[in-house]
Amino acid sequence: DQQVKQNSPSLSVQEGRISILNCDYTNSMFDYFLWYKKYPAEGPTFLISISSIKDKNEDGRFTVFLNKSAKHLSLHIVPSQPGDSAVYFCAASLYSGGGADGLTFGKGTHLIIQP
Amino acid sequence: DAGVIQSPRHEVTEMGQEVTLRCKPISGHDYLFWYRQTMMRGLELLIYFNNNVPIDDSGMPEDRFSAKMPNASFSTLKIQPSEPRDSAVYFCASSRQGVQPQHFGDGTRLSIL
Repeated sequence: DQQVKQNSPSLSVQEGRISILNCDYTNSMFDYFLWYKKYPAEGPTFLISISSIKDKNEDGRFTVFLNKSAKHLSLHIVPSQPGDSAVYFCAASLYSGGGADGLTFGKGTHLIIQP
Repeated sequence: DAGVIQSPRHEVTEMGQEVTLRCKPISGHDYLFWYRQTMMRGLELLIYFNNNVPIDDSGMPEDRFSAKMPNASFSTLKIQPSEPRDSAVYFCASSRQGVQPQHFGDGTRLSIL
């Protein structure tokens, strides 16, 4: 039973436009959410995170929104650039304090930025 | 700063052989995690350590899998005997007590023939 779901295996967006990646979760005990970016033959790289006490966190071109009542989060990338083409993983943790437990991952969304 | 280092990057071996994957976490990190990525199941947690002590190994698929952390700078994941269904990419990650996020190595791509 998947506790973190990314329902879009792939997404194609034109360069300069907004990319919106979605993620749903089922476990209401999750306290902290992260987005990782992954290039082929490399490990996941941390992008941005959000604690369950917030509904928005912004870092440059990247913004994560959290809707706890809907158990939904989204990652917005504005403007999208060719280097953003990668697989994006949504992950959830029971603790915001680091370590303490492993991450539960979605299966990823392959973002393709078209020139 | 050196990141998480995994070796080997690629391993191809025959069914029944013992496989040992290695990980060096980031210096000063108290937590170490082993994950496995497959097409069917995605990225899933196998086991994690805190201060070299295994805390949760509920994700380890079978007794054929074992993991150790003899010191703060080294961990191994062993599969004995290996089977074709163990073919996957295995990632190691580390983090500091009280601090997110986890930092990942580049993985070991394991192929069991």
